Amino acid sequence: DAGVIQSPRHEVTEMGQEVTLRCKPISGHDYLFWYRQTMMRGLELLIYFNNNVPIDDSGMPEDRFSAKMPNASFSTLKIQPSEPRDSAVYFCASRSGLRGSTDTQYFGPGTRLTVL
Amino acid sequence: AQKVTQAQTEISVVEKEDVTLDCVYETRDTTYYLFWYKQPPSGELVFLIRRNSFDEQNEISGRYSWNFQKSTSSFNFTITASQVVDSAVYFCALSEQDGGSNYKLTFGKGTLLTVNP
Repeated sequence: DAGVIQSPRHEVTEMGQEVTLRCKPISGHDYLFWYRQTMMRGLELLIYFNNNVPIDDSGMPEDRFSAKMPNASFSTLKIQPSEPRDSAVYFCASRSGLRGSTDTQYFGPGTRLTVL
Repeated sequence: AQKVTQAQTEISVVEKEDVTLDCVYETRDTTYYLFWYKQPPSGELVFLIRRNSFDEQNEISGRYSWNFQKSTSSFNFTITASQVVDSAVYFCALSEQDGGSNYKLTFGKGTLLTVNP
């Protein structure tokens, strides 16, 4: 089975530009998570969805960040306008919500974002 | 609030040495889960193991073993006969229910393990 898929793997953009990161969770998983990893702050949870509905977005740094999940197999994280301090690796993760399943989150390969 | 401490920022060993990565956690919940993830130089996060708070049995998987001790709130990870391919950042994580149906993960800062030939 395919794991969590993220695109692009690398993104370089200039300050002020819009950036869209994409994620396809593992089929059948109904929880989806967006994380950010930086040297200074480590791994931080930004937002998570359950059955395509945003449940907790308290980790989203500011209004420049937005996330959507239009269907069970696709989610986006958008930054508009981007700033150099947004440079980080962004991970998407998913897990099953079935009763009796483990709550293990499986991570995608990440998107390395560089904002110049 | 939950917290995960990995006191060892970096560890360097020579191939075939045994190495233990420490993890200490804090939580007020009686039901929680502990995880280890590996992040190799390629950058992906790879799930290694999950333990629930009611299962203190130690686990061995090949050269990997985990020691879970509730009395000291520790979940340590040992690699026996380390290999160069074990070089990675290892993260310990704690999962607690967030008041709803989800368990939120809190990660430690990670330990960079370098295995030299």
